[in-house]
Amino acid sequence: SQQGEEDPQALSIQEGENATMNCSYKTSINNLQWYRQNSGRGLVHLILIRSNEREKHSGRLRVTLDTSKKSSSLLITASRAADTASYFCATGDTGTASKLTFGTGTRLQVTL
Amino acid sequence: GAGVSQSPSNKVTEKGKDVELRCDPISGHTALYWYRQSLGQGLEFLIYFQGNSAPDKSGLPSDRFSAERTGGSVSTLTIQRTQQEDSAVYLCASRGGPRSTDTQYFGPGTRLTVL
Repeated sequence: SQQGEEDPQALSIQEGENATMNCSYKTSINNLQWYRQNSGRGLVHLILIRSNEREKHSGRLRVTLDTSKKSSSLLITASRAADTASYFCATGDTGTASKLTFGTGTRLQVTL
Repeated sequence: GAGVSQSPSNKVTEKGKDVELRCDPISGHTALYWYRQSLGQGLEFLIYFQGNSAPDKSGLPSDRFSAERTGGSVSTLTIQRTQQEDSAVYLCASRGGPRSTDTQYFGPGTRLTVL
């Protein structure tokens, strides 16, 4: 079963705009990660935020984590057509701390 | 070195046949995962190998699914008596360390179509 539910399922914006994707999860976590997938193939790791962190930045990416609400958001600023992809959140649990459980993904379309 | 590789990239088979999917992880990575992704869906965890420990098979959907990891390196996912609902992209990932905070590196996947 999926740990994370992402919202929206699909997002279409114009180049230069910001894109915000949200992820909610159900159980206690050790960390939360965001991945990107192009064309339904392999995933690429984008950013990791630990459970004791609230915000993290990497280039045009900004991730927030609210453990009280069991939610995270990924913000992509100044989007580009090349950002078109599916974005998944994945949680590492506090138990085995070895597995990631992936959300259902947000499909982002950036148009010129 | 090279990233995670998987073969074949595409596999079409008839219902009832067995299939083997291969994953070559990044050299030296101790952890290896298999996931399944149905069309338009998220990733479903199947099985996890960590070093010489017993694999975590908790995600395998039925006893038709099995996986091996030989010599701590290459892994093979076997699906016996394939069914149409097995059609999906099967993704393999490897990780250099034992912690979930270590980055997983994904292969390009094998797209399995069961007719």
